[in-house]
Amino acid sequence: GAVVSQHPSRVICKSGTSVKIECRSLDFQATTMFWYRQFPKKSLMLMATSNEGSKATYEQGVEKDKFLINHASLTLSTLTVTSAHPEDSSFYICSARDYQRDETQYFGPGTRLLVL
Amino acid sequence: SQELEQSPQSLIVQEGKNLTINCTSSKTLYGLYWYKQKYGEGLIFLMMLQKGGEEKSHEKITAKLDEKKQQSSLHITASQPSHAGIYLCGAALSSGSARQLTFGSGTQLTVLP
Repeated sequence: GAVVSQHPSRVICKSGTSVKIECRSLDFQATTMFWYRQFPKKSLMLMATSNEGSKATYEQGVEKDKFLINHASLTLSTLTVTSAHPEDSSFYICSARDYQRDETQYFGPGTRLLVL
Repeated sequence: SQELEQSPQSLIVQEGKNLTINCTSSKTLYGLYWYKQKYGEGLIFLMMLQKGGEEKSHEKITAKLDEKKQQSSLHITASQPSHAGIYLCGAALSSGSARQLTFGSGTQLTVLP
């Protein structure tokens, strides 16, 4: 149990285009999902907290218009990187909390984004 | 300075040796989570600690949270090459319901056969 998937696993796009990353909780409902960014050999940086049915809460320094988050259902949250630039290239990881089980965050496998 | 200090940054041990990774905070830890990550992959949940003095074990890995709830350690007994990877501690530094996690910088573990 507590499986989280992400799609796509890797994506290469041209500068200026938008990219959507999906995060799904496969066997549980997640009222809260989190989006992180990880640079090479660095720790995870929380970008935003995604709450089902409401607006996401962004961390300081994260542009909400740049990184659009939608949590339309209890099993799906999406992160859209709008007008991507090379500096947006990174490893993006989502996590989901299973309130019925415990407060543990279960992580997806990550999405590697490369913007050319 | 980081809110969560993890040490050592990297560790190379011979197979069969024991090792310890530490995670320290200046704030109270309302929940402490240990994860393992292979480079370029997601995080695998290992253990969660919440109560002061709590200790949990799974196979050859033991995690402890001190009584003051400001320091946690992860101990691996008789390490194997399969234990290699990046170990991350994540902490809930507030008692809020959102339970956002702050992560340590990670420990890169290499186990030599």
